[in-house]
Amino acid sequence: QVQLQESGPGLVKPSETLSLTCTVSGGSISSYYWSWIRQPPGKGLEWIGYIYYSGSTDYNPSLKSRVTISVDTSKNQFSLKLTSVTAADTAVYYCARRPRKWYYLDYWGQGTLVTVSS
Amino acid sequence: EIVLTQSPGTLSLSPGERATLSCRASQSVSSNYLVWYQQKPGQAPRLLIHAASTRAVGLPDRFSGSGSGTDFTLTISRLEPEDFAVYYCQQYGSSPWTFGQGTKVEIK
Repeated sequence: QVQLQESGPGLVKPSETLSLTCTVSGGSISSYYWSWIRQPPGKGLEWIGYIYYSGSTDYNPSLKSRVTISVDTSKNQFSLKLTSVTAADTAVYYCARRPRKWYYLDYWGQGTLVTVSS
Repeated sequence: EIVLTQSPGTLSLSPGERATLSCRASQSVSSNYLVWYQQKPGQAPRLLIHAASTRAVGLPDRFSGSGSGTDFTLTISRLEPEDFAVYYCQQYGSSPWTFGQGTKVEIK
């Protein structure tokens, strides 16, 4: 059974960098697209971006200047960095998997709340 | 960017009733690229329907999806207590992948 688990600081100061890692267990990171999605408290879902296991990426233009997603296939992990955060970046951050040949997110992490506050 | 508008924002129904949820796209989306998710409080979204009408493995057949072009519908034929949740549509037709704002199905 594939499982995804987000990890990282739950509190980040304004103007600093948010860093999260998603660890994939129960399956290989190869041949899939790996996404980050976020959800501000009480609001809807926003796609942040994805990385293919080979390293190609696509980002939401609304965040592109501040986002980097990377992958470490040896550790079965992928990561998110979001720079220059503000209170508007406070959200639950989810990692999720999209199969290569299909257009949907089939496995999701449980989500991790990141609060931006001094 | 393709904007997805879901309606209604909230649907108040009783168990056993039929729920009809709408997702309208600002431009045409191939049916292959339209997905529905269910989210319960404190949980991650769960895949329900992909390619507009294909049920995820194990999904009860009371859930069905339909539509094409710019208009898509999720129907729950007879609401069960566990179906009260928020439902999101998502499109992969063009980047950025976008979600609708959600429809909350609540107990009347």
